[in-house]
Amino acid sequence: NAGVTQTPKFRILKIGQSMTLQCAQDMNHNYMYWYRQDPGMGLKLIYYSVGAGITDKGEVPNGYNVSRSTTEDFPLRLELAAPSQTSVYFCASRWASTDTQYFGPGTRLTVL
Amino acid sequence: GQQLNQSPQSMFIQEGEDVSMNCTSSSIFNTWLWYKQDPGEGPVLLIALYKAGELTSNGRLTAQFGITRKDSFLNISASIPSDVGIYFCSYSGGGADGLTFGKGTHLIIQP
Repeated sequence: NAGVTQTPKFRILKIGQSMTLQCAQDMNHNYMYWYRQDPGMGLKLIYYSVGAGITDKGEVPNGYNVSRSTTEDFPLRLELAAPSQTSVYFCASRWASTDTQYFGPGTRLTVL
Repeated sequence: GQQLNQSPQSMFIQEGEDVSMNCTSSSIFNTWLWYKQDPGEGPVLLIALYKAGELTSNGRLTAQFGITRKDSFLNISASIPSDVGIYFCSYSGGGADGLTFGKGTHLIIQP
């Protein structure tokens, strides 16, 4: 199993541009999550999903959108990039029956 | 979410030393989770705690769920170079909720 994969690893955007961060998992997990990690801080929850077609906001959802059309994929969309969205983004997934979340390697995004 | 206070913020130690770090909250939790993040990687679960007073080991790592349910401790014995990284405490609000993380303890091992 590849686990949780994220693409791209790095990206630089200009203010106002849009992009989609990709996340996929091959463990048949029903729950998936997006977090952002700012320098010197812990991870903060952006959005999560309990299954295909179902998503909900986390602690810091403003400026982001998500969709979940399949069990495997959970893309995160930035519509109008702002410097405040410069961060490292992590996707995670887990089974409903456990607390253990499995994290991807992260996408480092810089908005200039 | 509730705020988790981790200390110390960073630790500079010699290889072979024991390490102790802790996490506190103003709220009572039912679960404490300790994660480690290697440089350039996502966090990986080290130890999960589910009962007040519980003491759980994972190799050289030992974690305890405080009796008050408002704190947790992580100890690392005989540190080695691969222990370098950021250690996070976290909790889950239950159900499908995501995790709330502390700010982390940076562990740096000096040769």
